[in-house]
Amino acid sequence: QVQLQESGPGLVKPSQTLSLTCTVSGGSISSGSYYWSWIRQPAGKGLEWIGRIYTSGSTNYNPSLKSRVTISVDTSKNQFSLKLSSVTAADTAVYYCARDRPGWPFDYWGQGTLVTVSS
Amino acid sequence: EIVLTQSPGTLSLSPGERATLSCRASQSVSSSYLAWYQQKPGQAPRLLIYGASSRATGIPDRFSGSGSGTDFTLTISRLEPEDFAVYYCQQYGSSLRTFGQGTKVEIK
Repeated sequence: QVQLQESGPGLVKPSQTLSLTCTVSGGSISSGSYYWSWIRQPAGKGLEWIGRIYTSGSTNYNPSLKSRVTISVDTSKNQFSLKLSSVTAADTAVYYCARDRPGWPFDYWGQGTLVTVSS
Repeated sequence: EIVLTQSPGTLSLSPGERATLSCRASQSVSSSYLAWYQQKPGQAPRLLIYGASSRATGIPDRFSGSGSGTDFTLTISRLEPEDFAVYYCQQYGSSLRTFGQGTKVEIK
């Protein structure tokens, strides 16, 4: 059974870079044809897809965030990571990592981690 | 970007009633790559329906999905107490994944 777990600071100062890691267990992050995504949800609001990294290492980003986002993978640790630069209060949200694949929806999700942007 | 618009925003129903949720896409969703998720407070979304009409593993048959192209529907035939939650549609036919804004099903 695949499991995903987000980790990282719960508090980030404005203008700084938000950094989160998703650790995948129960399977290798580099096996199969999977996309590893980040999704966020501000309190009381809907879900916003941030971007993803493919097993091959290629990435796709939401155009609304593309200039500030970097997603990378560390296969040796079975992890993938999110960096979001120049954060503001509008980036305060629960951040989820999730898995999908071509022609398939998000089938595994992390539990989510709350990141607050505040001085 | 495919914009998904869900309606209504809130549905107030009683247990045992039928719920009908709508999801409309701004352009055709290729291969009916449309999913529905259920989310309860403090939890990650749970996959209910994929391919517009296929139930995910372990999902009760009171949940059903239908539609194609730009119009999709999630139906809950008889609401159980545990079904009161927020429901999101999501398309995965384009490389830019998008979600609807959600429909809250609340107890009347």
